[in-house]
Amino acid sequence: EDQVTQSPEALRLQEGESSSLNCSYTVSGLRGLFWYRQDPGKGPEFLFTLYSAGEEKEKERLKATLTKKESFLHITAPKPEDSATYLCAAYSGGYQKVTFGTGTKLQVIP
Amino acid sequence: DAGITQSPRHKVTETGTPVTLRCHQTENHRYMYWYRQDPGHGLRLIHYSYGVKDTDKGEVSDGYSVSRSKTEDFLLTLESATSSQTSVYFCAISESRQDGEKLFFGSGTQLSVL
Repeated sequence: EDQVTQSPEALRLQEGESSSLNCSYTVSGLRGLFWYRQDPGKGPEFLFTLYSAGEEKEKERLKATLTKKESFLHITAPKPEDSATYLCAAYSGGYQKVTFGTGTKLQVIP
Repeated sequence: DAGITQSPRHKVTETGTPVTLRCHQTENHRYMYWYRQDPGHGLRLIHYSYGVKDTDKGEVSDGYSVSRSKTEDFLLTLESATSSQTSVYFCAISESRQDGEKLFFGSGTQLSVL
């Protein structure tokens, strides 16, 4: 059975304090891994798709990386507006085989 | 935002009543999905569609049915709502482009079954 585990469940950072969120996955035949940002009361907002070990993608203060067992979302010098829940999801085959993690709730304190 | 609109945004209903949620998209996407999101669970797939009148079950399809009579509309129906179906429901579409594969979500419907 495919599994995706995110850690920590919650993270509190001071503004400017860089850190990483972890997404561990067990998926047969990984085709890709998604990262999303979700604000309260809103739908997940697409951030990145990663496909193969060693791949990296960046967007503003966020950088996502992928290994054969994990993905990391690095947040550099975060700002309060980066506060949100970050979701990862791994998929194999078609999009009907997407397995989501339960998310990391990030709070950035001014 | 991939042109996805969900309606209603909020719904309160009673146990045993039928409920239909609507997902409307404006960009002619072939694939559409219904997910539910509950505390302690990742997003879970209910049903999906791969074309007009072509649908299939997802991981948590019991108690739900779907219909897609037009490319732009994907309806989720709870035939007889139960309290366990209290959840946030998201519609999604998938895209495969030159810059990669993406799964986009709508803003969600908060459903409360009393």
